[in-house]
Amino acid sequence: DVKVTQSSRYLVKRTGEKVFLECVQDMDHENMFWYRQDPGLGLRLIYFSYDVKMKEKGDIPEGYSVSREKKERFSLILESASTNQTSMYLCASSPRDRRYQPQHFGDGTRLSIL
Amino acid sequence: EDQVTQSPEALRLQEGESSSLNCSYTVSGLRGLFWYRQDPGKGPEFLFTLYSAGEEKEKERLKATLTKKESFLHITAPKPEDSATYLCAVNTDKLIFGTGTRLQVFP
Repeated sequence: DVKVTQSSRYLVKRTGEKVFLECVQDMDHENMFWYRQDPGLGLRLIYFSYDVKMKEKGDIPEGYSVSREKKERFSLILESASTNQTSMYLCASSPRDRRYQPQHFGDGTRLSIL
Repeated sequence: EDQVTQSPEALRLQEGESSSLNCSYTVSGLRGLFWYRQDPGKGPEFLFTLYSAGEEKEKERLKATLTKKESFLHITAPKPEDSATYLCAVNTDKLIFGTGTRLQVFP
């Protein structure tokens, strides 16, 4: 089974802090994704990566950056956390042919910015 | 604009009472439709992939079907453990999610 592991289930940070969310997958997938999930808005794509050191913006990249130094690891960075970034963050991975293969998700990080 | 709409938003069923969840979409270049189950505090768990109109997939009490404009997730004789939020997502050049149907099944 595909295993996507997010480093923290719950995280509380303060406004202005730099926040790192980590994600590791064990299925040798090329593609990795970061989403946020908010009530009534569904899942929205923040950033994705098709390969090591490659990244592309999703629908809501403002205020975020990402890093992919190794194939199995994809990090989401909140450069200067703000209260409107309080949300559930979900990481996902899929094999190279993303057009036809489902994405597999981690259990999420519930992030609160105070 | 590509759009995915799920209905109803919430559904309460008695154990054993069969029903269907709907996912309608308007997208260009559909490359598959996925159904996921999400339990509270967890990430979405993959259930089914449907690629073309007329296709059907089954797993235990769940059956997913696809037409050119919508997909249905049929739940036959549900049990309380089927309670969850069910998400559909359509695959174009990216994955577009609906906002889900929250299903509650009571004994």
